[in-house]
Amino acid sequence: DVVVTQSPLSLPVTLGQPASISCRSSQTLVYSDGNTYLNWFQQRPGQSPRRLIHKVSNRDSGVPDRFSGSGSGTDFTLKISRVEAEDVGVYYCMQGTYWPATFGQGTKVEIK
Amino acid sequence: EVQLVESGGGLVEPGRSLTLSCTTSGFTFGENAMTWVRQAPGKGLDWVGVIRTKTYGATTEYAASVKGRFTISRDDSKNIAYLQMDSLRTEDTALYYCTRDYVDWGQGILVTVSS
Repeated sequence: DVVVTQSPLSLPVTLGQPASISCRSSQTLVYSDGNTYLNWFQQRPGQSPRRLIHKVSNRDSGVPDRFSGSGSGTDFTLKISRVEAEDVGVYYCMQGTYWPATFGQGTKVEIK
Repeated sequence: EVQLVESGGGLVEPGRSLTLSCTTSGFTFGENAMTWVRQAPGKGLDWVGVIRTKTYGATTEYAASVKGRFTISRDDSKNIAYLQMDSLRTEDTALYYCTRDYVDWGQGILVTVSS
């Protein structure tokens, strides 16, 4: 299986400051169709996951533009330009290029 | 409005079986692959498996940890996806979610495997 590794696992941030989460895969996530199937999810406490970003950098409908995704090959990043209180939760990357799909361990974002 | 509602969870003894249902509405069910994801208490997300549409033969893929024990199926006439879980283990204890294309998610249903 493709291993997806996130860092850091815990991220204390100050309100209004930027935050960045790294996601690295054990194999390139470029599929034969040229797409890279790397998603980012947010899970707020007590809630179901919510997809923020698909195919590396495409924001889902309703996702604030302070969230952005970037990267290629095996290295990817989720950035929050200015953290707000509602951003507290756990963030996961997930690769969907290979079966089985695999999630990273999760990064817990909390306010300092 | 898209809705996904999981049901069928509960407490079950190790080695026994349980079938979860994901009842959907608000979208054309037959045109969507359906995925199951689980989350053990206090842990991260764990991909379980997917069933493709009938256009793609309703074929399935599974995580190694459940392959041979879990079976995903679908009933397009009822707009329901199923997760049949056999030979359950204590490590299968989790909140089980169904999702449509990772965009729409159910609220999750708890399965506890314990004697």
